[in-house]
Amino acid sequence: SQTIHQWPATLVQPVGSPLSLECTVEGTSNPNLYWYRQAAGRGLQLLFYSVGIGQISSEVPQNLSASRPQDRQFILSSKKLLLSDSGFYLCAWTGNGPNTEAFFGQGTRLTVV
Amino acid sequence: AQTVTQSQPEMSVQEAETVTLSCTYDTSESDYYLFWYKQPPSRQMILVIRQEAYKQQNATENRFSVNFQKAAKSFSLKISDSQLGDAAMYFCAYRRHFNFGNEKLTFGTGTRLTIIP
Repeated sequence: SQTIHQWPATLVQPVGSPLSLECTVEGTSNPNLYWYRQAAGRGLQLLFYSVGIGQISSEVPQNLSASRPQDRQFILSSKKLLLSDSGFYLCAWTGNGPNTEAFFGQGTRLTVV
Repeated sequence: AQTVTQSQPEMSVQEAETVTLSCTYDTSESDYYLFWYKQPPSRQMILVIRQEAYKQQNATENRFSVNFQKAAKSFSLKISDSQLGDAAMYFCAYRRHFNFGNEKLTFGTGTRLTIIP
């Protein structure tokens, strides 16, 4: 069966420090991968999505970036965190074809101090 | 661009009663998928129900059903016999049909549902 792993679960980082969040998917190939951010009590904001290795689409201009070095690995990064980067980050994947359900990781709670 | 709008930030319902959550969307596509996801306090996203736009029949999953009005671009969720475990944030989501490139999954801002015992 397919599973999605996202880590770390929580992270406290100082302003100006770098960030790396990782997400991996098991049990499927060539998934579509997504990074979402959820501010406290708010909706899901799509940050990046990827349909294949090295293919990244950015939805929101900001100091975050994403990379997909392997088929089932999706990384969210920042060189210098801002206070406004605090939030709950969710990784998700969808398949290609009629099975259209999105599967989500457990999320990472990032606090920038 | 596709947008999803949930105009009810918060809703409450008495236990065992029925509640309807609203969702509207904007798209120029004719074939697509719509979803309702539930996010309980654990923050794990759980699929509640899905609807294919080409299907006229409204989807139903036990106590959950949708009212899909394609012309009006409306997709509401009805929860019958509300239970305490239904308390959560509910998100409406849109995705193009896979034949047209299915990579983007867009969510609404969510509706927080409270169940009153």
